Amino acid sequence: SAVISQKPSRDICQRGTSLTIQCQVDSQVTMMFWYRQQPGQSLTLIATANQGSEATYESGFVIDKFPISRPNLTFSTLTVSNMSPEDSSIYLCSVWGGRSSYEQYFGPGTRLTVT
Amino acid sequence: GQQVMQIPQYQHVQEGEDFTTYCNSSTTLSNIQWYKQRPGGHPVFLIQLVKSGEVKKQKRLTFQFGEAKKNSSLHITATQTTDVGTYFCAVLGSAGNNRKLIWGLGTSLAVNP
Repeated sequence: SAVISQKPSRDICQRGTSLTIQCQVDSQVTMMFWYRQQPGQSLTLIATANQGSEATYESGFVIDKFPISRPNLTFSTLTVSNMSPEDSSIYLCSVWGGRSSYEQYFGPGTRLTVT
Repeated sequence: GQQVMQIPQYQHVQEGEDFTTYCNSSTTLSNIQWYKQRPGGHPVFLIQLVKSGEVKKQKRLTFQFGEAKKNSSLHITATQTTDVGTYFCAVLGSAGNNRKLIWGLGTSLAVNP
């Protein structure tokens, strides 16, 4: 299994500002996933980030609002841009478990509050 | 798109009682996974089922995949307070370059000591 760290663990931001969340994996992985989870809700996939290509965004999520970088096989960032209170949520990154394994391993999450 | 229905949404039990959560799909599934998320934590992978009728056990947890591969259950025998959390099922989406998991809404389990 992969060990994943995320920074920051939590933040309180003002509306209109942007926050960049970092995700670091202890092994090289092709695909990284960014999720949003609102309190008491299920996980919603924002985008899939493959190293060396543009991220693939899910319906309802756009690159201008959630730009993603994937500079190498162990690191990715998600930026939440021009934040509003509706962006208050937990943001999680995850990776597949192994070469042919489709279980996902998650970082500890970033708890974002927008005031 | 592919969906998976999970019930119940909430379950409140006394410690020692059993608990079951169910996931159902209208389409045949290639596999189904179960995750547990403790309050304030992140989802943690529990198990993956791939075979029709498969049953797997982890101590007090029993996971089952239906014969038609359209439903699955997670049963906890004699719940303990350490079982508190939300249990999610997830299924693998369509094949292709960007495979992803489709998540159920989760069942939140509360255990009274």
